[in-house]
Amino acid sequence: SQQGEEDPQALSIQEGENATMNCSYKTSINNLQWYRQNSGRGLVHLILIRSNEREKHSGRLRVTLDTSKKSSSLLITASRAADTASYFCATAPGDNTDKLIFGTGTRLQVFP
Amino acid sequence: DAGITQSPRYKITETGRQVTLMCHQTWSHSYMFWYRQDLGHGLRLIYYSAAADITDKGEVPDGYVVSRSKTENFPLTLESATRSQTSVYFCASSEEAGRLATEAFFGQGTRLTVV
Repeated sequence: SQQGEEDPQALSIQEGENATMNCSYKTSINNLQWYRQNSGRGLVHLILIRSNEREKHSGRLRVTLDTSKKSSSLLITASRAADTASYFCATAPGDNTDKLIFGTGTRLQVFP
Repeated sequence: DAGITQSPRYKITETGRQVTLMCHQTWSHSYMFWYRQDLGHGLRLIYYSAAADITDKGEVPDGYVVSRSKTENFPLTLESATRSQTSVYFCASSEEAGRLATEAFFGQGTRLTVV
């Protein structure tokens, strides 16, 4: 079964609002990444947070990681219509393998 | 062209046929991955490779074969295609993985239909 599950599955907001997506995972991890996928396209890396980090920022993105709860959140502030996409978390499990396991994704729609 | 490219972009094949999806990267990244993406399942890892001649099973390896004789190429073969293998397939590469993971770069995907 997949390591990560995103919540919610779908999210609709207005431009200018903040969007928060959550990712829960099942086993220990070395690090966690967030990716974005525009419809029909390949995935693009957004941000990586290591297991010893709690928060990371990149532009309008803020990622938090709570290893005790096995969860991460991605916050997009002041969203734009161009942020409309699917967002996935991906984990590098802490099992001495080189796997990169993706979750099921959150589909974000930002209305102008 | 620099980057990671997949071919073909679209493929229709018949049940029982063998089909190979190609993946080529120009960065000499050590790690390469194959995923399939199906509605409701996100991306599921099929196989991955840490270097030439080193491959490992992912979450859903059954029915697939990979090889990696050269660092830059990581072909995925469906030995006898089934309708359940109809999907969009993504290849990715990264400089590091696991504990020291770095960002992965994805190809544009191959949409495979098995009829």
